[in-house]
Amino acid sequence: NAGVTQTPKFQVLKTGQSMTLQCAQDMNHEYMSWYRQDPGMGLRLIHYSVGAGITDQGEVPNGYNVSRSTTEDFPLRLLSAAPSQTSVYFCASIAPSGANVLTFGAGSRLTVL
Amino acid sequence: AQKITQTQPGMFVQEKEAVTLDCTYDTSDQSYGLFWYKQPSSGEMIFLIYQGSYDEQNATEGRYSLNFQKARKSANLVISASQLGDSAMYFCAMRAYTDKLIFGTGTRLQVFP
Repeated sequence: NAGVTQTPKFQVLKTGQSMTLQCAQDMNHEYMSWYRQDPGMGLRLIHYSVGAGITDQGEVPNGYNVSRSTTEDFPLRLLSAAPSQTSVYFCASIAPSGANVLTFGAGSRLTVL
Repeated sequence: AQKITQTQPGMFVQEKEAVTLDCTYDTSDQSYGLFWYKQPSSGEMIFLIYQGSYDEQNATEGRYSLNFQKARKSANLVISASQLGDSAMYFCAMRAYTDKLIFGTGTRLQVFP
């Protein structure tokens, strides 16, 4: 049981490059989400999914795409990276029952030059 | 729309004293959950405590308690007998029904000897 696994941990991109942040969980969680954390801004929700085939926008979705083809995986795509997307990204999931506690990945630090 | 507000960017407390971190929320849903998370300098997100909107008693977990005042839409975290290891960022979060989970901007707590 690995929990929520995010890759890569660190990434440096040039403006205009594309990349995918991977997120996988092995807990059969229906709800998965991506947040970005910036100083003074807390954690802001980018996109979330309540199950395979279902995604929805959060507070700051512009510049990011997601898909949810399986229950386990929820990748976050940056199609054309911008310096404003420099941030720490967290993937998190919630169990289908119980107290709705978010289980977080370890985070991915992205720098866009 | 849901909203979480943490108005204290930073708080100081002396070791062994109690401290209250403020959190107010806004939602039109009747069913929701409130959460507190701790983020130490290492960066991981640690779940502390949960309160459901229909729970009549305030939640407690060891030295943590959640002062839930539904009419005032507040969910303050109380840490009793502060320890040096409590120095961290603290985030309040809310999830209405089966919707998305959103966070406040956080409060940085510093415990001094």
